[in-house]
Order: sequence, then C-alpha cells, then structure tokens
Amino acid sequence: SQTIHQWPATLVQPVGSPLSLECTVEGTSNPNLYWYRQAAGRGLQLLFYSVGIGQISSEVPQNLSASRPQDRQFILSSKKLLLSDSGFYLCAWAYPDRGTNTGELFFGEGSRLTVL
Amino acid sequence: KQEVTQIPAALSVPEGENLVLNCSFTDSAIYNLQWFRQDPGKGLTSLLLIQSSQREQTSGRLNASLDKSSGRSTLYIAASQPGDSATYLCAVGNNNDMRFGAGTRLTVKP
Repeated sequence: SQTIHQWPATLVQPVGSPLSLECTVEGTSNPNLYWYRQAAGRGLQLLFYSVGIGQISSEVPQNLSASRPQDRQFILSSKKLLLSDSGFYLCAWAYPDRGTNTGELFFGEGSRLTVL
Repeated sequence: KQEVTQIPAALSVPEGENLVLNCSFTDSAIYNLQWFRQDPGKGLTSLLLIQSSQREQTSGRLNASLDKSSGRSTLYIAASQPGDSATYLCAVGNNNDMRFGAGTRLTVKP
C-alpha cells in the first residue's frame, strides 16, 4: 500500500531563518507531488507541484522554493522566513498519467510552521 | 483560473439531521472533483472522488453529486452524528493540479 510521510510535524522558527520541510511517498513510482499551504481559517493554496524529478511548477511567487531530488521525495525550502510564512503546510501525491488514473489526491498529516 | 466556492462557511445542526454542503466552480472543464474531511490540526482525509464522466458517488451515509454544466457539486450527509463534526473541503481537478474551496465547518450537536 502507498503511504506518505511528512516532517517535521511542528516547527517554530525566527524571522530570517531558513526552512526545510520534507515529504516522501512510499509504495508507488513517479507520483505527481504537491505542496499546499493552509493559513488560519482559510482554504488550501497550491504552492508547487511536480510531475517528475527536477520538474517543478510554481503557483505563487514568494520566498519559498521546492525541489524534487528523488522520484518520491519533495522538499519545501526557504532561505529567509517571513512572518507571513506561518501556516499549515500539506504535502500530497497522486498517481501520474491522468489518462489512466482517477487523479485522486492523497495527503500527508501536515507540518505546522510558526514564524516568530 | 479555476475558482472554487463553498457555501455555507459554517453549519450547526442537531444530531440526526440530514444536511447538504454545496460547492461551486467556475470552469466546467474539470477532470474530477474530490470531497475531503479535515479535523482540527490534521491533514485531509479523502471522502469521495467523482470523475468528470460520473454524476454521483456514495459511501455509507455520504453521497456526492456532480453537475458539470452548472459548475456545482453537493455533499449529502444522512443522519448526522457528532463524530461528523469537522471541516469539509471540496477540490476540483484541472490539468495536473487541484483547486480547493475554503471549506464548510460542520458542527453536529448531540
């Protein structure tokens, strides 16, 4: 069966510090991978998605970046955090090739980031 | 760009009531539509997925319908229970991504 792991679960960082959130998927190959952010009381905002190693699409211009160094690994980073980066970050995956798959999205448990 | 709206933003009902949550979207050229449940501080749990060629899906007390032409989906919850209290999110799939509504926060009172 497929599983998705996301860490750390909770993070408190000072303004200006770097960030690295990691997400890995097990039990499938070449998944589509996604990073979403959920601000308090708001819906999910798509930040990045990837359909393959080294292929990253950015949805929102900001001081965050994403990388996919391995097939089932997706990393969200920042060189200098802002107060506005606080939120709940969720990684998700879906089977590739929507022509033959349902496109169902599966989520990790999330990482709560507080920037002070 | 796809816009997804969920109404109402919050809903409180007594236990046992049947209820309907609404989701609307602006671009009818969708690939699929997925309903999720989110408990406070947790990730999202998939409830139902409707493919663009389907009209509805059912799982237990849940039934989701899709009307692409009007850009609408509904999630029907029968015989609500306190354990159904959570935020329900609708997500619409286009191309390789999914766009989310802001959710409906449901409270079922015992």
